[in-house]
Amino acid sequence: DTGVSQDPRHKITKRGQNVTFRCDPISEHNRLYWYRQTLGQGPEFLTYFQNEAQLEKSRLLSDRFSAERPKGSFSTLEIQRTEQGDSAMYLCASSPRPGEQYFGPGTRLTVT
Amino acid sequence: AQKVTQVQTEISVVEKEDVTLDCVYETRDTTYYLFWYKQPPSGELVFLIRRNSFDDQNEISGRYSWNFQKSTSSFNFTITASQVVDSAVYFCALTLSEAVGGGTASKLTFGTGTRLQVTL
Repeated sequence: DTGVSQDPRHKITKRGQNVTFRCDPISEHNRLYWYRQTLGQGPEFLTYFQNEAQLEKSRLLSDRFSAERPKGSFSTLEIQRTEQGDSAMYLCASSPRPGEQYFGPGTRLTVT
Repeated sequence: AQKVTQVQTEISVVEKEDVTLDCVYETRDTTYYLFWYKQPPSGELVFLIRRNSFDDQNEISGRYSWNFQKSTSSFNFTITASQVVDSAVYFCALTLSEAVGGGTASKLTFGTGTRLQVTL
């Protein structure tokens, strides 16, 4: 399968714990995006990488959130000291060029 | 700032009916892209179409058609002869041309989605 993959697909954690999600983009896509989707809403942009450089971060990305793409391939999104409000679907998308984004299946986070 | 509005939160139709999903967008830029995505219950966003702001042509793909009206800032999506498999949440989205955004644009701004339920 050559699509975008995300791991894990589901994560249940207790409030205050740290979680890390991984995204593997389509091979050779140099652009990578993270979005967050809460129930009944459309996805909201979190951050954008071009190769290994993080070029844009949304104000939604609080200090507890950090994202990396160390070698310009896979990316990780870490949430520290999770809160119940962090419960959402976290979507990753990769893109070879402007105007084309291919989404992964998402990681559904539940904070109890 | 960009904004996408989908006023229809939920639509229910009977199979074989035609259905139109509305999308209205706001942007001050003249160069942008519009999209429709489908999100089935599995959760994955499936790309349906991309439209460049300079392209006034409407498009048809099988049972799907899209009507782009720049004068009213609308990009509506019609499914002809709907089927049960069309049941999903549909999102309209907007992104600026990267030339406008200076290299860091092209993030998608989504509407809140329209849930389509097609029954037998």
